[in-house]
Amino acid sequence: DSGVTQTPKHLITATGQRVTLRCSPRSGDLSVYWYQQSLDQGLQFLIQYYNGEERAKGNILERFSAQQFPDLHSELNLSSLELGDSALYFCASSPGGGSTNYGYTFGSGTRLTVV
Amino acid sequence: GEDVEQSLFLSVREGDSSVINCTYTDSSSTYLYWYKQEPGAGLQLLTYIFSNMDMKQDQRLTVLLNKKDKHLSLRIADTQTGDSAIYFCAESLLLNNDMRFGAGTRLTVKP
Repeated sequence: DSGVTQTPKHLITATGQRVTLRCSPRSGDLSVYWYQQSLDQGLQFLIQYYNGEERAKGNILERFSAQQFPDLHSELNLSSLELGDSALYFCASSPGGGSTNYGYTFGSGTRLTVV
Repeated sequence: GEDVEQSLFLSVREGDSSVINCTYTDSSSTYLYWYKQEPGAGLQLLTYIFSNMDMKQDQRLTVLLNKKDKHLSLRIADTQTGDSAIYFCAESLLLNNDMRFGAGTRLTVKP
């Protein structure tokens, strides 16, 4: 157990729908990162939050949004889902605003299947 | 280039050594990492090396860093079937300490 908790582990939904993925960072970590892993695109950085504020944006679609709450858990909202959004979505956390010698701590991911 | 580059596949026989190579982007990167991802699981930090080091050894793992060529390698001695996984190289960028990942190398260990 890495200490980063992601729910749900699996999600199957239809095209056009909206889903919310949840992440609780490791205790004491202030930063949360979201990544998308698909077979053809590898590991893509989506967005980072640090202590409730958006800090960095990667290749995140406009249909996707995220937020980090006062208790530091984060949610990734995916809307108007398309077949191509099917992927593993990982959350990672780190103590400060960036990496350290320990890197990021990853959760076990949410597998999203859009049908 | 702008991407951390790794070869996509590597196949070895059980008991042999595996060498996974990576070329990173930022000569000022402070830390370089190797992560392992087993099927259906998240990325797990295997080892890291600080940029002022040339080599780091941790049991069966040896990390070599060539800063001049921006080349990082991971050697796994006496590779076992349990080592079959995807291995990601990553760098910590000096500018903002963000991490940049390679696409991952899928290691297959044959009995």
